[in-house]
Amino acid sequence: KQEVTQIPAALSVPEGENLVLNCSFTDSAIYNLQWFRQDPGKGLTSLLLIQSSQREQTSGRLNASLDKSSGRSTLYIAASQPGDSATYLCAVRNAGNMLTFGGGTRLMVKP
Amino acid sequence: DTAVSQTPKYLVTQMGNDKSIKCEQNLGHDTMYWYKQDSKKFLKIMFSYNNKELIINETVPNRFSPKSPDKAHLNLHINSLELGDSAVYFCASSRQGEAEAFFGQGTRLTVV
Repeated sequence: KQEVTQIPAALSVPEGENLVLNCSFTDSAIYNLQWFRQDPGKGLTSLLLIQSSQREQTSGRLNASLDKSSGRSTLYIAASQPGDSATYLCAVRNAGNMLTFGGGTRLMVKP
Repeated sequence: DTAVSQTPKYLVTQMGNDKSIKCEQNLGHDTMYWYKQDSKKFLKIMFSYNNKELIINETVPNRFSPKSPDKAHLNLHINSLELGDSAVYFCASSRQGEAEAFFGQGTRLTVV
């Protein structure tokens, strides 16, 4: 059974800092890994999708890496802004086409 | 042009009632899902459905059932609602295989 863990559970940083969110998973037989953002009371917005054959993906100030063999992914956010404040969710897709989510990291970027 | 839309956004109902949540996607995806986010914000898969196969998470009570009138819709029916069913329910869709999943805005269900 796949288990996904995200560390830290919560993070508070001053504006402008670079930061790293961590995600680990127990079963390395994944098809892909997806990072989402969830604002309070809102739905999930897809940020980055990394296929199992890829090592990283970049979108603007976001960079996600994947080390499938060790069961780890990181989401790097450069030059953080108050608008980045949200919960960040990591999810992996195994056979059966379904996503298993981590518990999320609540990020607060202070002006 | 909402890609995945759910209705209603909020639903308050009494214990014992039967209710439905509707989901529609206009992305041409062949697979749709329902996820449940509990009070601790953990998201868990409930169902995965394409026109060939329904996969059910074994932890989901049989009071919950998905109904798909066509490829663009996957509605969630819940019978005999219980207090513990209170949660936010998310619909999602994707293409089969190594595909990105897109989520709806969620339906906050409150059972009183």
